[in-house]
This record gives sequence, structure tokens and C-alpha cells, in this order.
Amino acid sequence: AQSVAQPEDQVNVAEGNPLTVKCTYSVSGNPYLFWYVQYPNRGLQFLLKYITGDNLVKGSYGFEAEFNKSQTSFHLKKPSALVSDSALYFCAVSGVLTGFQKLVFGTGTRLLVSP
Amino acid sequence: GAGVSQSPRYKVAKRGQDVALRCDPISGHVSLFWYQQALGQGPEFLTYFQNEAQLDKSGLPSDRFFAERPEGSVSTLKIQRTQQEDSAVYLCASSSDPQVGTQYFGPGTRLLVL
Repeated sequence: AQSVAQPEDQVNVAEGNPLTVKCTYSVSGNPYLFWYVQYPNRGLQFLLKYITGDNLVKGSYGFEAEFNKSQTSFHLKKPSALVSDSALYFCAVSGVLTGFQKLVFGTGTRLLVSP
Repeated sequence: GAGVSQSPRYKVAKRGQDVALRCDPISGHVSLFWYQQALGQGPEFLTYFQNEAQLDKSGLPSDRFFAERPEGSVSTLKIQRTQQEDSAVYLCASSSDPQVGTQYFGPGTRLLVL
């Protein structure tokens, strides 16, 4: 079965410091990987995705993620955090077994950026 | 630009009532998805439409849950005889590419069953 693990419930970082939100996945075959962000009382906003090609993916708001096949990871990163980045972040995967249309989400990581 | 819209944003129902949740996808998007997000959890897939065809309903938790998209645009998720465990946020998403297009989510409908 396909699954996503986000090992940290919360990540704390000071404004201006780099941030990393971790994600590992389990899927048969090649994965499609996604990061979404959720602000309070709002839906999920798409940040970036990896389908194929370059392992380093750049997305919205200065975020990037690196696909590592050997470690089955897709960690989200940003060189310099902003207070406004504080939100709930979800990693998701799709693949051939469940159909590429069906996203399987992790449980989310709350990012708290302090001034 | 116009995104995915959902109504109502909040719904309180008494146990046993039927509810209907509406989703208006981004114009022209052929694929439409419903997810259920319980408190403190990630979204879980319920069902998927390509145009008016419901191609996957494997995530619907029981036969009390029913979704339709009769004209290939607006979709309705109906829950009959609601139970307390149905309390969750119901998210709708749409995509322009049925193969691997990015899914764009609406703000969700928060359902509370008393």
C-alpha cells in the first residue's frame, strides 16, 4: 500500500533561518510527490510537485524540495523562513497502484516561524 | 482568478439528518475529487470523477455516502442518515489533466454532526 510519513508533528524555526520539513514515502513503482500548505480555515494550497526529471524541484513562495529515490524522501526546504510561512504542511504521493489521480497524504507538519 | 468553491462552508446537522455538500470546480477542469479530513489528520480520498463519470469511489466509507456530477461540472456529495463519525472537513479538488495534473483544492465544508 502507498503511504507517506511526516515524522515531525511540529517544526520550530526562527525567522531568517533555513527550514526543512521532512517527508518519506512508500510506493510501488515511480512516485508522483506533492507538497501542499494549509492555512487556518482554508483549503490546501499547492506548493510544488515532482513527476520526473530534475530531483530538485522549485515551487511557490521560495520553497523547494529534493527527491531522493534511494532514501525514499521528498523533504521540503526554504533558505530563509518568514513568519508568514507558519502553517500546516502536507506531503502527498500518488502512484500506479492506486491510480495517479488519488493522492495519499501524510498527517501533516505544523511549521512555526518565530520573529 | 476563480478557484474551487464549496458551499456551505459550515454545516451543523443532527444525527440521522441527510446533508448535501456542493463543489464548483475551476471552469474547464475535467477531473474532480472529494476528500475527507478528520481533525488533526491529512485528507483521505473519497471519490473521483472524470467529467460526469465516477471512475473511483473506493474511498467512500459506507453506502450512506453518495456523490454525483451529472453535467460534468458541479458536484454534490450527499451523506444520508449522518452519524457523529461523519464530522470532518470535506474538501473538493479539481484538475485539468486526468493523468497527473495538479489538484487544486477548495476551502472545504466543515460538517459537525450532533
